[in-house]
Amino acid sequence: QITLKESGPTLVKPTQTLTLTCSFSGFSLNTSGVGVGWIRQPPGKALEWLALIYWDDDKRYSPSLKTNLTITKDTSKNQVVLTMTNMDPVDTATYYCARATYSGSEYFDYWGQGTLVTVSS
Amino acid sequence: DIQMTQSPSSLSASVGDRVSITCRASQSISSYLNWYQQKPGKAPKLLIYAASSLQSGVPSRFSGSGSGTDFTLTISSLQPEDFATYYCQQSYSTPLYTFGQGTRLEIK
Repeated sequence: QITLKESGPTLVKPTQTLTLTCSFSGFSLNTSGVGVGWIRQPPGKALEWLALIYWDDDKRYSPSLKTNLTITKDTSKNQVVLTMTNMDPVDTATYYCARATYSGSEYFDYWGQGTLVTVSS
Repeated sequence: DIQMTQSPSSLSASVGDRVSITCRASQSISSYLNWYQQKPGKAPKLLIYAASSLQSGVPSRFSGSGSGTDFTLTISSLQPEDFATYYCQQSYSTPLYTFGQGTRLEIK
């Protein structure tokens, strides 16, 4: 059974750095073709892809947020960490992590429950 | 950047109806198109990948078609549990995996 779960602060102040952890089980980030990504969703709005890290440590970032994002993995702990610097109230959103895999297209087949992060002073 | 545009933005339908949702890419994305369903307060759920492949466990009333720039998600006979928001997502253009703006499917 594949599961993912996000953890981190629910409230951060503007300009602070957000650190979110995705803890997963049921698959390995050592497996070729597998990745873990982060996607966010502001309240009442659409999904926005942020970052993705692959089994071989290849990393991809949303161009519009690249300067503020860092994604890393700890394969031994089955965790992926996303850091986002200089948080702003517009970054208030539910943050999801999801497993990425490829079969004719790359897609997110398993998702965490999401964690709501509010940016406010 | 590739833009994904869904239509309609919202749709009212009845149980048993056949409904279709369209997703258009701003440039060709071959078949690198996926569909997700999201219910309020829940994470998205993968329905269709690679434009027309049904994810394991997803009912066969869901189907996907298209290639290039125009794609369609069809629900052959709406069930009460299908009322949700649907998103398309392209994975042709990396590093940006763009989602559409969503289509809200409501009960008429």
